[in-house]
Amino acid sequence: ETGVTQSPTHLIKTRGQQVTLRCSSQSGHNTVSWYQQALGQGPQFIFQYYREEENGRGNFPPRFSGLQFPNYSSELNVNALELDDSALYLCASSLVDRLSRFSGANVLTFGAGSRLTVL
Amino acid sequence: AQSVTQLGSHVSVSEGALVLLRCNYSSSVPPYLFWYVQYPNQGLQLLLKYTSAATLVKGINGFEAEFKKSETSFHLTKPSAHMSDAAEYFCAVSSTYGNNRLAFGKGNQVVVIP
Repeated sequence: ETGVTQSPTHLIKTRGQQVTLRCSSQSGHNTVSWYQQALGQGPQFIFQYYREEENGRGNFPPRFSGLQFPNYSSELNVNALELDDSALYLCASSLVDRLSRFSGANVLTFGAGSRLTVL
Repeated sequence: AQSVTQLGSHVSVSEGALVLLRCNYSSSVPPYLFWYVQYPNQGLQLLLKYTSAATLVKGINGFEAEFKKSETSFHLTKPSAHMSDAAEYFCAVSSTYGNNRLAFGKGNQVVVIP
């Protein structure tokens, strides 16, 4: 089975620009979560998508938005980039059902991440 | 809200010695607890998880962790360090209900000294 793949692996943007990061979930998984990992920090939850709808959001401003597609792949969009947005962005997928989608026991499979540098 | 504390960002251990990484959690509801490992240029890989079954949890690569509710701890151990254990380790907590997100600690960078 294929794992979680993310693209691009590295990118450089300037302040004020917009960026789109992409994620293909592991085969058979239906839920995607996004995390931001700043240098020297643990990952911070951005949001999760279940069956194309947002299923929980962390403490991030509205300029962070996302999409999930019918094939369960996902995009993370960040508008009006700021210097502090420089980080590794991790995508994780999992398989949940309607009852367990709010369960914290679901195991996540992480991709290798997209490293964003904002100058 | 849940949170975890990992002290000591860098941990050095001699090859063959005990690996001990400490994790203390804060949660107002029964927690689920996880340890993940991150190798350079790779995603996070699950080492083990506690989901209210046995308090001593065995994971991959010889690691294990013990859930102690009275101490709000979930420390990770491995009896004998190997060079391949050099990586960053993250403790994470989530809720048993109503919360589907992981709250991670800041991580421990483990260096194995030959």
